[in-house]
Amino acid sequence: DAKTTQPTSMDCAEGRAANLPCNHSTISGNEYVYWYRQIHSQGPQYIIHGLKNNETNEMASLIITEDRKSSTLILPHATLRDTAVYYCIVRVEDSGNTPLVFGKGTRLSVIA
Amino acid sequence: GAVVSQHPSRVICKSGTSVKIECRSLDFQATTMFWYRQFPKQSLMLMATSNEGSKATYEQGVEKDKFLINHASLTLSTLTVTSAHPEDSSFYICSARDRTVHGYTFGSGTRLTVV
Repeated sequence: DAKTTQPTSMDCAEGRAANLPCNHSTISGNEYVYWYRQIHSQGPQYIIHGLKNNETNEMASLIITEDRKSSTLILPHATLRDTAVYYCIVRVEDSGNTPLVFGKGTRLSVIA
Repeated sequence: GAVVSQHPSRVICKSGTSVKIECRSLDFQATTMFWYRQFPKQSLMLMATSNEGSKATYEQGVEKDKFLINHASLTLSTLTVTSAHPEDSSFYICSARDRTVHGYTFGSGTRLTVV
């Protein structure tokens, strides 16, 4: 069962903010929202995660709606190197040795 | 941070031969590692969970006798594709459970081409 829904693809102009949405309407109270990205022919890379408060790090910002049913990953100034598939995953923070389960993600193309 | 090294990055083999892919945790001990397979334009699909010192747990539809997983040490897990066929051509990625805040680190992947 898909726990998240993301658009298949998005384009963004270089230098502009890229806003990637994710719907997770069935999220449980103890589940976090995680974002990973996969640049072509590489392994996935962790970006950011959060529970209910907005989060920011050196890579991105994560905005989670008050009802936690959706979130948006923001890349403030997208570069060509941000072209990748972005995956939104919901899971419990301390989930033991369970694997990450990937959905189809959003293919972001940053255009010069 | 945690670093996972995966080798080789790409390999071409003849149909019927076997190929071994290594996944090493360089600066931490990984009691649990995961193996994924990714076909072009598709997402990562979990193949198996590898636990140090015990047999791997395979996902439904993954042939355990074809995809041999060994996790004999706390820093190394290997995936051997036996009697490879062209349909096994894919991008194989390992991941290790670690102590970072997000809990998982991925290898850089192995592009397997069976000719």
